[in-house]
Amino acid sequence: NAGVMQNPRHLVRRRGQEARLRCSPMKGHSHVYWYRQLPEEGLKFMVYLQKENIIDESGMPKERFSAEFPKEGPSILRIQQVVRGDSAAYFCASSPGGAAYEQYFGPGTRLTVT
Amino acid sequence: AQSVAQPEDQVNVAEGNPLTVKCTYSVSGNPYLFWYVQYPNRGLQFLLKYITGDNLVKGSYGFEAEFNKSQTSFHLKKPSALVSDSALYFCAVFKAGNMLTFGGGTRLMVKP
Repeated sequence: NAGVMQNPRHLVRRRGQEARLRCSPMKGHSHVYWYRQLPEEGLKFMVYLQKENIIDESGMPKERFSAEFPKEGPSILRIQQVVRGDSAAYFCASSPGGAAYEQYFGPGTRLTVT
Repeated sequence: AQSVAQPEDQVNVAEGNPLTVKCTYSVSGNPYLFWYVQYPNRGLQFLLKYITGDNLVKGSYGFEAEFNKSQTSFHLKKPSALVSDSALYFCAVFKAGNMLTFGGGTRLMVKP
């Protein structure tokens, strides 16, 4: 059973470009979470999705950021018109259920905005 | 509002000695508590969790944690540290329904 897959692992974008980060959850997991980590800091929750539904996006900036988890295919975190402050590691996690289940994390995508 | 505190930015311990990484929490109701470890340039790996039941929880790689409701703590422990345990450790609490709230992390340095 493959773990959580994220791609690309590293992404470099110029200011104003778009960044698309992909996450394939573990097989059988229908809950996906996105977190952002700044250097030497903990992870900050961004958004929680189940198939075709955004359950909680309270941690996601209101502008430029969006997320989806379609019926088929990976979950996508999209950042439009990136700025230098978006540079961070973005981690996806999946779980088979809600609160009592541990989340399994992908290796992360390191976004660098130049 | 729920929160998690890891009061130590770094913990240094000699190989073979016991280690403790501290975590305190603030949450209404019964907490779901987790410990994760992060190695350089890697994602987080699950170590252990407390949901209910026995206050002493055993996890991966010989780690264990003790849930103490009166002190609102969930300290991570290991009887004998290894150099390979050196990493960044995060305590987290699950908010009802939706997300993990992480502490700021504690860097564990185990010296030979």
